Amino acid sequence: KAGVTQTPRYLIKTRGQQVTLSCSPISGHRSVSWYQQTPGQGLQFLFEYFSETQRNKGNFPGRFSGRQFSNSRSEMNVSTLELGDSALYLCASSLGAVSSYNEQFFGPGTRLTVL
Amino acid sequence: GDSVTQMEGPVTLSEEAFLTINCTYTATGYPSLFWYVQYPGEGLQLLLKATKADDKGSNKGFEATYRKETTSFHLEKGSVQVSDSAVYFCALSSPNTGNQFYFGTGTSLTVIP
Repeated sequence: KAGVTQTPRYLIKTRGQQVTLSCSPISGHRSVSWYQQTPGQGLQFLFEYFSETQRNKGNFPGRFSGRQFSNSRSEMNVSTLELGDSALYLCASSLGAVSSYNEQFFGPGTRLTVL
Repeated sequence: GDSVTQMEGPVTLSEEAFLTINCTYTATGYPSLFWYVQYPGEGLQLLLKATKADDKGSNKGFEATYRKETTSFHLEKGSVQVSDSAVYFCALSSPNTGNQFYFGTGTSLTVIP
């Protein structure tokens, strides 16, 4: 069974640009969550999508947005990039909505560098 | 708000040494607690979890006990191997916050032969 895949694996952008990251969950998984990982802050929750609906949202500005398609694939978009957006963006999928009982499976991440 | 604090790294140990990585938490209600491991170039993997006080999670020789009285969930292993070299993350999830996961900043472990 294929794991969670994220594309692209690496991205370099300049300030002010926008970027779209993609995540394909494990087949049959209906929930996709996104996290930002930085050395200083660790992993911070961005949002969770379940059955095409945003179920939960972290404390990030509106420049960060996402969506989920009917096949459960998800994209996240960051507009007007800032230097501080440089991070590893991780996607995780789970069979059902995120809870203590639905294990999250993480992808390898997309490394975004903003110059 | 809910949060997790884990010991700063990096941690370097010799093979077969005893490992402890400290984790304490702040949460309303009764969260579930987790340890995740991230190997180089890979995503996080669930290592173990505990869903209520006094529960012990265990996997691959690692253990952690949910201590409500000290709000802690310290990770331990009696004899580490080189293959245990990775970054370890403590996390919590609570129904009070929509089951959102809160992660610590991670502790890097290097085991030398």
